[in-house]
Amino acid sequence: DGGITQSPKYLFRKEGQNVTLSCEQNLNHDAMYWYRQDPGQGLRLIYYSQIVNDFQKGDIAEGYSVSREKKESFPLTVTSAQKNPTAFYLCASSTLTSHTSGNTIYFGEGSWLTVV
Amino acid sequence: GQQLNQSPQSMFIQEGEDVSMNCTSSSIFNTWLWYKQDPGEGPVLLIALYKAGELTSNGRLTAQFGITRKDSFLNISASIPSDVGIYFCAGRPYNTDKLIFGTGTRLQVFP
Repeated sequence: DGGITQSPKYLFRKEGQNVTLSCEQNLNHDAMYWYRQDPGQGLRLIYYSQIVNDFQKGDIAEGYSVSREKKESFPLTVTSAQKNPTAFYLCASSTLTSHTSGNTIYFGEGSWLTVV
Repeated sequence: GQQLNQSPQSMFIQEGEDVSMNCTSSSIFNTWLWYKQDPGEGPVLLIALYKAGELTSNGRLTAQFGITRKDSFLNISASIPSDVGIYFCAGRPYNTDKLIFGTGTRLQVFP
């Protein structure tokens, strides 16, 4: 099946620990994104990447890091510098087309991260 | 970061009723997207709009790209219990490659 796979679905992090969330897509999309969602709120962009080996900070990049070594994969590391990491994390991907036709973003099923 | 104004924030309706929600922005957009999110799941794309004035349907759902390019609405006709969830709009301003998301409309449908 084609789609975006995030793992794990649930993850618990101890204080001071780094954790990595996996995101894999087999849609042959060029662009990939990470969003954070807090209860009752909209989505906030953490990082995005439009091409392999390149990525840009979103609105809330502090305390997070990413890599894009392969087109299909865009893992997110939540570092110990992120002081309030408990949230629902969503990975997404899209094609890169002209602005007049738009780029529709498709989401994975999300990963819950809880600090214990 | 910038967010869209999405309203209403929540709706409690009876099965069979029609629903309407909308999003507005202070800047013009070249894309409007509508998503539905079930609890603990990722948003699922419902309708994508790419042209001002465009009116698109997906079953009981209808969405329009406002002619001013600063707004969009989503209508759901004859609601059913499985329509329950959070509906998000998202828009792409001109000359950017990032989407901006609304804060969501939480829909509850009672039998």
